[in-house]
Amino acid sequence: LAKTTQPISMDSYEGQEVNITCSHNNIATNDYITWYQQFPSQGPRFIIQGYKTKVTNEVASLFIPADRKSSTLSLPRVSLSDTAVYYCLVGSSASKIIFGSGTRLSIRP
Amino acid sequence: EAQVTQNPRYLITVTGKKLTVTCSQNMNHEYMSWYRQDPGLGLRQIYYSMNVEVTDKGDVPEGYKVSRKEKRNFPLILESPSPNQTSLYFCASSLDPSGIRNEQFFGPGTRLTVL
Repeated sequence: LAKTTQPISMDSYEGQEVNITCSHNNIATNDYITWYQQFPSQGPRFIIQGYKTKVTNEVASLFIPADRKSSTLSLPRVSLSDTAVYYCLVGSSASKIIFGSGTRLSIRP
Repeated sequence: EAQVTQNPRYLITVTGKKLTVTCSQNMNHEYMSWYRQDPGLGLRQIYYSMNVEVTDKGDVPEGYKVSRKEKRNFPLILESPSPNQTSLYFCASSLDPSGIRNEQFFGPGTRLTVL
């Protein structure tokens, strides 16, 4: 699985757009990029998955440049309830899925 | 309701006393996995299963056993628990056997303390 690098923490304010970037320089051709959200003492929850270009769903957008060596999770108009840890995963097989330490996002009023 | 259930949710035990944490999913998923989460270390995969009778080691398998005799169940067994296995444990399942080409659904977690 490709190693990923994310910022340890980020702060923002309610109503702002938040972008969290994940670096995955050694991503393989078949690898997908997946983002999860985790609240304290709860299991992670799937947010979005993509392979290339842009993917959008009802909660987020995922931007993937042509070289696929990074990806950006975009959360529009965040609220206090978006305070959580966000994990970026990259891979295409079941072997040793690694969540890493994630990005701790704090939203202030 | 589609869900992954774990039992027990909380457990305090003593060193060496065998225990089993059960995991069950009602979504007919092929893939199931166990993770442990410790402060500052994120989630680390213990074991995973791509189908019935098919299991494999994750990142931190030492001290754990699993079995997949039925599609819906994937119990985690600690034959001789030790204090370093005190952790928060999550079970997850996914429709795709790879566990990564589709979303994983996580259970509510089991907080284990080994004294």
